Amino acid sequence: KAGVTQTPRYLIKTRGQQVTLSCSPISGHRSVSWYQQTPGQGLQFLFEYFSETQRNKGNFPGRFSGRQFSNSRSEMNVSTLELGDSALYLCASRADINTEAFFGQGTRLTVV
Amino acid sequence: GDSVTQMEGPVTLSEEAFLTINCTYTATGYPSLFWYVQYPGEGLQLLLKATKADDKGSNKGFEATYRKETTSFHLEKGSVQVSDSAVYFCALSDRLSQNFVFGPGTRLSVLP
Repeated sequence: KAGVTQTPRYLIKTRGQQVTLSCSPISGHRSVSWYQQTPGQGLQFLFEYFSETQRNKGNFPGRFSGRQFSNSRSEMNVSTLELGDSALYLCASRADINTEAFFGQGTRLTVV
Repeated sequence: GDSVTQMEGPVTLSEEAFLTINCTYTATGYPSLFWYVQYPGEGLQLLLKATKADDKGSNKGFEATYRKETTSFHLEKGSVQVSDSAVYFCALSDRLSQNFVFGPGTRLSVLP
């Protein structure tokens, strides 16, 4: 059974640009969550989608958005990139609300 | 609200030393508890889990027991190896609030 797949693995963008990250969950998993990880702030929750609906949202500005498709694949978009958005973005999938989360390898975003 | 507290790191040990990483939690309902491990440059991997009081999760020599009376889930290993050097995250999934919450992580360095 394939694990959680995130693409791309590495990305370099310029300030002011926008970026879209992709996450394919484990087959059959309906929940996808996104996290931002930085050395200073640690692991911070961005949002969770369950069956195409945003179920939970963290404390991030509106520049961060996401969506989930009918096949459970999810995308995260960050508009008007800032230097502080440089981070490892992790995606996690769960079979259901109360089960363990499985993580992808992450996308390393560098904003220059 | 739901929260997870972990001991501050970094923790530095010599090879074959005994490891304890403390974790305590606050939850609205009756949570499932998890330990995740993150090796450098990678995503988080599920290390072990426990779904109800007095359950003991174990994997790769690591153990943790779900203690409802002390709201704790401390991670232990009898003899650490250099390859155990990583960041360890305690987490909970609350059935009532349906939140999945991570602690701040504890960095472990094992010296040969």
